[in-house]
Amino acid sequence: QSALTQPASVSGSPGQSITISCTGTSSDVGGYNYVSWYQQHPGKAPKLMIYDVSNRPSGVSNRFSGSKSGNTASLTISGLQAEDEADYYCSSYTSSSGVFGGGTKLTVL
Amino acid sequence: EVQLVESGGGLVKPGRSLRLSCTASGFTFGDYAMSWFRQAPGKGLEWVGFIRSKAYGGTTEYAASVKGRFTISRDDSKSIAYLQMNSLKTEDTAVYYCTRVLYYYDSSGYYGGYWGQGTLVTVSS
Repeated sequence: QSALTQPASVSGSPGQSITISCTGTSSDVGGYNYVSWYQQHPGKAPKLMIYDVSNRPSGVSNRFSGSKSGNTASLTISGLQAEDEADYYCSSYTSSSGVFGGGTKLTVL
Repeated sequence: EVQLVESGGGLVKPGRSLRLSCTASGFTFGDYAMSWFRQAPGKGLEWVGFIRSKAYGGTTEYAASVKGRFTISRDDSKSIAYLQMNSLKTEDTAVYYCTRVLYYYDSSGYYGGYWGQGTLVTVSS
C-alpha cells in the first residue's frame, strides 16, 4: 500500500482537461510544499513534470499545472493530447524521506 | 545536455552484494545532489536515497527499506555516483534509476529532476 493515494485511472478526450488527485496526510503533502509529479510512458524512465507543488521545469508544457489544498495535491492537464497518455506519479517529502503515490493511468479516449 | 547512464545491474542471489554506477556528463557533477529511485516490475516508483554535494556536506539519506544495507557514494573526480547494495533480498528486484536535482542549490534529493534510463537488478536464487 502506497503512502499517498491516487486514483488508479482517469480518462479524457482530446482537448479536455483532467485532474489527478494525490491525497496524503499532514506529515507529508499537507506539511510541506515539496510535492512533485512524474510522467512515465511504457518502458521509459519517468519525467519530472511538476516540482515544489506548482513549478514546471524548463521544457514542460504549460498545459501541465499543479496545486495543493490541505493534504491533497492535484495535477491538472489541460488541452489533453494523445501523447499525454501515460502513468502519472505524485511524490512528497516527509520527515527525511520521500514517499510516492501508487500511480494513475491516464487514457486519452 | 545532462546525461546519466546507469550500469552494473544483473542477476544476483539473495544475500549477495552488487554495486551500481551512474556516470554523469553535461554538467559539473560535484555541484549537484544525486539520488537513486527504483521501480519493481509492474509496480510504482520508490525513492531509495540520495547524496548531497560536498558544498552541503556530502551527507546521505536513505529510505527505511534499504537503510543499513545500501550505501550511496560519489566520486566527483570521475563524475560517478554509486549505489552499493548489500544483503540483497528478492524484494529489491527492480529497475534502478539515477537522478540529478534540477538546481545546484537543491541540497536534498527527494525528487528527480533528470533521470537516467535505468538498470535492472534481479535478486533470485
